[in-house]
Amino acid sequence: DVQLVETGGGLIQPGGSLRLSCAVSGFSVTSSYMTWVRQAPGQGLEWLSIIYGGGGTDHADAVKGRFTISRDNSKNIVYLQMNSLRAEDTAVYYCARSGYNSGWYPFDEWGQGTQVIVSS
Amino acid sequence: DIQMTQSPSSLSASVGDRVTITCRASQRISGYLNWYQQKAGKAPKLLIYGASNLQSGVPSRFSGSGSGTDFSLTISSLQPEDFATYYCQHSYSTPYTFGQGTNLEIK
Repeated sequence: DVQLVETGGGLIQPGGSLRLSCAVSGFSVTSSYMTWVRQAPGQGLEWLSIIYGGGGTDHADAVKGRFTISRDNSKNIVYLQMNSLRAEDTAVYYCARSGYNSGWYPFDEWGQGTQVIVSS
Repeated sequence: DIQMTQSPSSLSASVGDRVTITCRASQRISGYLNWYQQKAGKAPKLLIYGASNLQSGVPSRFSGSGSGTDFSLTISSLQPEDFATYYCQHSYSTPYTFGQGTNLEIK
């Protein structure tokens, strides 16, 4: 079975750093694209970052220069390193699979999410 | 960046009703349009991909249509479990933006 499990969220002070992990089972993280999406309290979904099968990455302007997506192929884990955190980064963070068996690149599998709260 | 505009933002309907949600892209995106359902406290769930393809396991009362800039999601006969928030999202090019969501409530 396919499973994505996010960990690493928590309460962090403004200006701090966190690294989120997305542990994947049921497929290889190198066989598809992997993305991060967040949802602020009471708000909609916001795409953040993507790592392609070949290892290339891209980030939304809102987090470019502060957040970095990466992966460990041997552990089948995708990471989101978040630096210089701000109050507006408070959200539930989801990892999702994209582009697996579909050239339309939908996000077809999601984790359960991990909560990040940025507050002093 | 491509902006996605959904309408309506909220919708009240009854079990058995047929409802349609629309999504407009700020530029042409071919068929790179996906629809998700999200229930409170849960991760989004893929319903439709490539504008009109039903994701495996999703009931056939859900359907999608459109191409270019205008798209729609239709639920042919609402069931109690369909009351949720629905999002469109394009996957044409990064950033993969979402619509603002449509909250479907019980009338």
